[in-house]
Amino acid sequence: GQNIDQPTEMTATEGAIVQINCTYQTSGFNGLFWYQQHAGEAPTFLSYNVLDGLEEKGRFSSFLSRSKGYSYLLLKELQMKDSASYLCAVAQAGTALIFGKGTTLSVSS
Amino acid sequence: DGGITQSPKYLFRKEGQNVTLSCEQNLNHDAMYWYRQDPGQGLRLIYYSQIVNDFQKGDIAEGYSVSREKKESFPLTVTSAQKNPTAFYLCASSSNIATNEKLFFGSGTQLSVL
Repeated sequence: GQNIDQPTEMTATEGAIVQINCTYQTSGFNGLFWYQQHAGEAPTFLSYNVLDGLEEKGRFSSFLSRSKGYSYLLLKELQMKDSASYLCAVAQAGTALIFGKGTTLSVSS
Repeated sequence: DGGITQSPKYLFRKEGQNVTLSCEQNLNHDAMYWYRQDPGQGLRLIYYSQIVNDFQKGDIAEGYSVSREKKESFPLTVTSAQKNPTAFYLCASSSNIATNEKLFFGSGTQLSVL
């Protein structure tokens, strides 16, 4: 089977840096996605990692270690609009994405 | 503009009633998916389809049915057998499953029971 774990909630202040962790156990691993979801809206794509290492995209970066079954999403220079849920999703070959329960991030001024 | 359209945005179901949620995409994607989201929860897979006239059950298929008669359309029926249907339903598509391309999501349908 598969298992994906993320913290349920995190809080941070504007301008800070926050790291959201995701651990997974799965067979046939074919990459890991991060999505952002504001309340009542559809998830939007943030990043995709299939090889070990860090992928940087503006204020957001994502890291993957396949041997450890571990990923994190790093958000820098936090803004109020970053308050949202962040969903970790694992890709397995030939089947649909499996999502974790999501981490709700609250950014305060 | 290319994208995925879900309708309606809000839907109410009476006890014992079947309701159908619409999902249409004009992205020319082969694969389509239905996920259910409960408050404070992640997305759980109901059904997915890799190609026209083919679909597979996800983790929580009981009480739901789908069809894929056209590439563009993947409607979801919530049957009376689904005893707890209140949730936010998200439809998604991707170019194909084999290469694990990213998902594009519709804006969702909030289903509530009267």
